[in-house]
Amino acid sequence: AQSVTQLDSHVSVSEGTPVLLRCNYSSSYSPSLFWYVQHPNKGLQLLLKYTSAATLVKGINGFEAEFKKSETSFHLTKPSAHMSDAAEYFCVVSEGWKTSYDKVIFGPGTSLSVIP
Amino acid sequence: KAGVTQTPRYLIKTRGQQVTLSCSPISGHRSVSWYQQTPGQGLQFLFEYFSETQRNKGNFPGRFSGRQFSNSRSEMNVSTLELGDSALYLCASSRGGEAFFGQGTRLTVV
Repeated sequence: AQSVTQLDSHVSVSEGTPVLLRCNYSSSYSPSLFWYVQHPNKGLQLLLKYTSAATLVKGINGFEAEFKKSETSFHLTKPSAHMSDAAEYFCVVSEGWKTSYDKVIFGPGTSLSVIP
Repeated sequence: KAGVTQTPRYLIKTRGQQVTLSCSPISGHRSVSWYQQTPGQGLQFLFEYFSETQRNKGNFPGRFSGRQFSNSRSEMNVSTLELGDSALYLCASSRGGEAFFGQGTRLTVV
């Protein structure tokens, strides 16, 4: 069965310092993995996705994530936080992304605060 | 090209009433999914439509229903509203394995 764990419900960093948002998953098959970002009062925006190609995935706004099968992790990182990065981040796992949405699981979310 | 459009953006209803929310997907997208987002439960899958057919349904009571039209626009309906239905309802349209979300409809039940 699929599940997604986001290890921190809230992360606070200073502007200009690195960001690390942690995500662990469990899946019976080779999953597709995604990170979405939601700014206040906005919809969700796709940051990046892993679909069994390169394990290091680069996304928008300087974010990247590395798929580590041995650790069942898909942590999101950014070298230098910007004030505009303050938002809610969701890790998503899917075993049938391209054909069905009934096996898409959203993590509980991590709220990122950026301190000036 | 235009993104996913959800209307209305905000809605206030009274317990026992019913409500209809609308979602217009990106042009060319035939798959539309609906999610409910609440502070306590996070993002929960409601249902998915593809070519006017409901393909999948989440674990929600029968008061929640939806449909999709031939132009891929989708509506969801909630009857006999309860206070606990207050939430942000998000719609996503997808094609080729990537989902695009609308801004959502914020429903408040009083």
